[in-house]
Amino acid sequence: GEDVEQSLFLSVREGDSSVINCTYTDSSSTYLYWYKQEPGAGLQLLTYIFSNMDMKQDQRLTVLLNKKDKHLSLRIADTQTGDSAIYFCAEREKNYKLSFGAGTTVTVRA
Amino acid sequence: DAGVTQSPTHLIKTRGQQVTLRCSPKSGHDTVSWYQQALGQGPQFIFQYYEEEERQRGNFPDRFSGHQFPNYSSELNVNALLLGDSALYLCASSLERRTEAFFGQGTRLTVV
Repeated sequence: GEDVEQSLFLSVREGDSSVINCTYTDSSSTYLYWYKQEPGAGLQLLTYIFSNMDMKQDQRLTVLLNKKDKHLSLRIADTQTGDSAIYFCAEREKNYKLSFGAGTTVTVRA
Repeated sequence: DAGVTQSPTHLIKTRGQQVTLRCSPKSGHDTVSWYQQALGQGPQFIFQYYEEEERQRGNFPDRFSGHQFPNYSSELNVNALLLGDSALYLCASSLERRTEAFFGQGTRLTVV
């Protein structure tokens, strides 16, 4: 199976932390990714995590992976207006294909 | 490094026509994948090219075909366009067996 699910919307106040959640179904996935898409633009790779890791931190971004529950989350610390965008979770299957969720629209309010 | 570049950025075609979209991968990358992103949805995998051959294919009809050239650039061709083919077409490049896949800005195709 290759279903990736995400909540559709998240509203957060500037300066707070954002947490975006994702569930996936393919237990053989090797890597899991977070991409950001701003209006009218392509996808920007934010970060990724190998499936045998639990956590990865990269500046304001923290990725948590619960492989047992097939749950992935992205935490953005000190959220800024420039973080307003659509965030996609993706899993990479053994054959290198990426399967994406429908995206979470994050709105940062002042 | 120019990153992944796609052309054209926008395109309007009529039903039944054919279209060719182009992608230049990031410098040094040898693998190109194409994705279709309909409005309000996540990208859907079309196919992947490596060493000038289609290595794997998603659930898209034969109207969708592609090519990879010796310089690793790639084309996506769509024949007999349907209204439902209107979407953002994204190209991603990567290095064989490496982790990161980088996307271009996409080509917005509108079929009228």
